[in-house]
Parts: sequence; structure tokens; C-alpha cells
Amino acid sequence: DAKTTQPPSMDCAEGRAANLPCNHSTISGNEYVYWYRQIHSQGPQYIIHGLKNNETNEMASLIITEDRKSSTLILPHATLRDTAVYYCIVRPRGSSNTGKLIFGQGTTLQVKP
Amino acid sequence: DAGVIQSPRHEVTEMGQEVTLRCKPISGHDYLFWYRQTMMRGLELLIYFNNNVPIDDSGMPEDRFSAKMPNASFSTLKIQPSEPRDSAVYFCASSLGRQETQYFGPGTRLLVL
Repeated sequence: DAKTTQPPSMDCAEGRAANLPCNHSTISGNEYVYWYRQIHSQGPQYIIHGLKNNETNEMASLIITEDRKSSTLILPHATLRDTAVYYCIVRPRGSSNTGKLIFGQGTTLQVKP
Repeated sequence: DAGVIQSPRHEVTEMGQEVTLRCKPISGHDYLFWYRQTMMRGLELLIYFNNNVPIDDSGMPEDRFSAKMPNASFSTLKIQPSEPRDSAVYFCASSLGRQETQYFGPGTRLLVL
């Protein structure tokens, strides 16, 4: 599975957009980009995933560059409850998908009032 | 839906004792995963099941760890005998399909003294 690189920490002002970058320069054509987050003392929570097109759901937007070597998770209006560790994960699709989620160190997002 | 249910939420035990962690996956999900989270190693997959059958146990640290899934709605992770280095948060997750989104439980925080 492709390796991902994320900044260890970021701050964001409450109400502003939080933009969390992820580098996955070795991603292959059959690998998805997934985002999970983990709020303190809770289990990881699925946010969004995409292959090559930008995706949006009720929680966030995912922007994947044209060459797919990096992506950005956007929380449009961050709240204090969005303070968490955000994990960017690359997962293969099809028969190559073993089911395993490989979590890196993630980005600790601190939303400040 | 109640989500993935884990019990107990906290467990404190003494070295050498047997510990049993329990998980009820989301109804209808056919994959169940056990993860462990520590400060040193982050989140790592221990074992996963498909239709109650263990598929990949390569992440199980040693023979002291065992996992079972007697039916579609219940799984256990047992540690016997427990050691202080087993102290961690243990998460259970389930999904509908190997490639699909995994939903995590709240975790069991284990402390072995």
C-alpha cells in the first residue's frame, strides 16, 4: 500500500475552513484515498474517500490533485468539536484490497475559539 | 443502528490474569476487525474475520492472544496471560464487504499492572 505523509499538527480558527494536506506520491491507479478522524478517547470515524474526482459529503470535501500524488481534506466551517487526529490512508481496490487499514501518525487538528 | 458495541469500556487487571474483550458488530456486516492502539505503535490491525472465519491473523503479537467469532453478532479477543506491555486501547470495527468503509467501536482501554 502507498505511504502517506501528513503534517503532525495544524491549528484552525473556529468558523474558518480547515485544509488538511496529505502527500501520497507513490499512489497507484487502483488505490483510493480515505480519510478518518479520531476524536480524543473515541474510535476512528470515517469521513470521506475518493479515487480521482473531488468528493463532497455532509462532513467534508476531498480535493485530489490531477496527478493524484496529493490531496486535501477540507472542513468548510470548523467547530471546536472537529478537534481530532485526522488520518489520510491509501487503500487498494479490487482483489488487492486485503481489508487492512494502515494508519500513520496523522495530523492533530486543533480548532481554537 | 447502535453501531459497533464493545465491552468492557475499561479494564484494569494484574499481570498474569486472563482478559477477555468483547465486540458486537453492526448487524448485517460480514467483516470484523480487531485493532490495537498504543502511543509507540499507533493503530495496528491484529486480526480480521469474514463470515465468522479468521482470514488474517498476522498482526496478532504472540500466542498469548487469541480471537474467536462464534457467530455473526459476537467476537472475543482474549489475552492469557496478560502482561503490562499489553496495555493499550483495543478497537473493534466492522464493514459490509472487505473493501467497504470500516466502522469502529468506542474501544476498550486495557491497563495491565
